Amino acid sequence: AQRVTQPEKLLSVFKGAPVELKCNYSYSGSPELFWYVQYSRQRLQLLLRHISRESIKGFTADLNKGETSFHLKKPFAQEEDSAMYYCALLAFNRDDKIIFGKGTRLHILP
Amino acid sequence: GAGVSQTPSNKVTEKGKYVELRCDPISGHTALYWYRQSLGQGPEFLIYFQGTGAADDSGLPNDRFFAVRPEGSVSTLKIQRTERGDSAVYLCASSSGVNTGELFFGEGSRLTVL
Repeated sequence: AQRVTQPEKLLSVFKGAPVELKCNYSYSGSPELFWYVQYSRQRLQLLLRHISRESIKGFTADLNKGETSFHLKKPFAQEEDSAMYYCALLAFNRDDKIIFGKGTRLHILP
Repeated sequence: GAGVSQTPSNKVTEKGKYVELRCDPISGHTALYWYRQSLGQGPEFLIYFQGTGAADDSGLPNDRFFAVRPEGSVSTLKIQRTERGDSAVYLCASSSGVNTGELFFGEGSRLTVL
């Protein structure tokens, strides 16, 4: 069965410092990975997906199949990045359901 | 707005009661998902629909939980004989199709079972 692991519940980073939110997955097939974000008092929303290979709000994520990881990175943190971040996996053409990790709260310190 | 709408936003009930939670997806979205989120946890998959049929209900915890989507639009999650452990935020999301990966979430229905 597929699994998504986010080892950090809370990550505190100073403004302007680099950010890396870790995500590891377990899946025997070829997955599609996503990062979702929930800002305070807002709905959960898609931030980015690995297949599009784009940078959103300065964030990027690279799928590393060898390490089964999909870490989210940003070179310079901004205060508005403070939010809950969830890594998610789509077991493409298998279960077809999207499963989420437990999330990491990113807290940007001034 | 044209986003996913969930009602009620808050529901407090007593143990043993029956509860219905409603989700109105974005118009034209064929896929609809239900998740449950407990405090400090990520969204836990319950069931998803493609059109009117439940394509995968493997996440429903037991037979007290049931969901329908009779006309391929609005969905209702039904919980019988509620237990205190059912207390959580129930999230609904819709998507333009299965396998797109982009889910549009509602604000959730917070269920509290006393």
